[in-house]
Amino acid sequence: DAGVTQSPTHLIKTRGQHVTLRCSPISGHKSVSWYQQVLGQGPQFIFQYYEKEERGRGNFPDRFSARQFPNYSSELNVNALLLGDSALYLCASSLQGDSNQPQHFGDGTRLSIL
Amino acid sequence: QKEVEQNSGPLSVPEGAIASLNCTYSDRGSQSFFWYRQYSGKSPELIMSIYSNGDKEDGRFTAQLNKASQYVSLLIRDSQPSDSATYLCAVSGGSNYQLIWGAGTKLIIKP
Repeated sequence: DAGVTQSPTHLIKTRGQHVTLRCSPISGHKSVSWYQQVLGQGPQFIFQYYEKEERGRGNFPDRFSARQFPNYSSELNVNALLLGDSALYLCASSLQGDSNQPQHFGDGTRLSIL
Repeated sequence: QKEVEQNSGPLSVPEGAIASLNCTYSDRGSQSFFWYRQYSGKSPELIMSIYSNGDKEDGRFTAQLNKASQYVSLLIRDSQPSDSATYLCAVSGGSNYQLIWGAGTKLIIKP
């Protein structure tokens, strides 16, 4: 069975541009969470979606947005990119939308802002 | 604010010894606890989940939970160089849907 898949794997952008990151969850998983991870830190929660509804939002500016599609895949959009947005962006899926379910991660998208 | 604390390390352990990783959390309402392993440049990989007080064993890994002390640990027996990684502790957020993450402990197994 395929795990969580993310695309692209690497991305280089310049300040002010926008970016769209994509995630397909494990088959049967209905919840997708997005995280940002910078070197030396744990994952920082950005969004969680369950059944196409936003379940939670972390402490990120409105430049960050996301959505979940009927097939449970998800997109993370970031507008007006800043140098500080350079990070590993992780997508994780789980069966249901509560935090008692283990989350399974994709390989991530490494975003570099020049 | 809900917090999860881990010693950042690095924790250096000889090959074949037991590695002990610790995590404390602030939210008494937390019900689920997870340990993830993350190799450098890779994404986190789920190792163990534990939901009840006591020990849970899976191969060379044992997770220990003490809700009264708000403490969860991971023991790795017969440590191997391939166990060298950062170990992340994640705790359910009690009343909401988020996992709360520690910053991770870097473990180095010395041959």
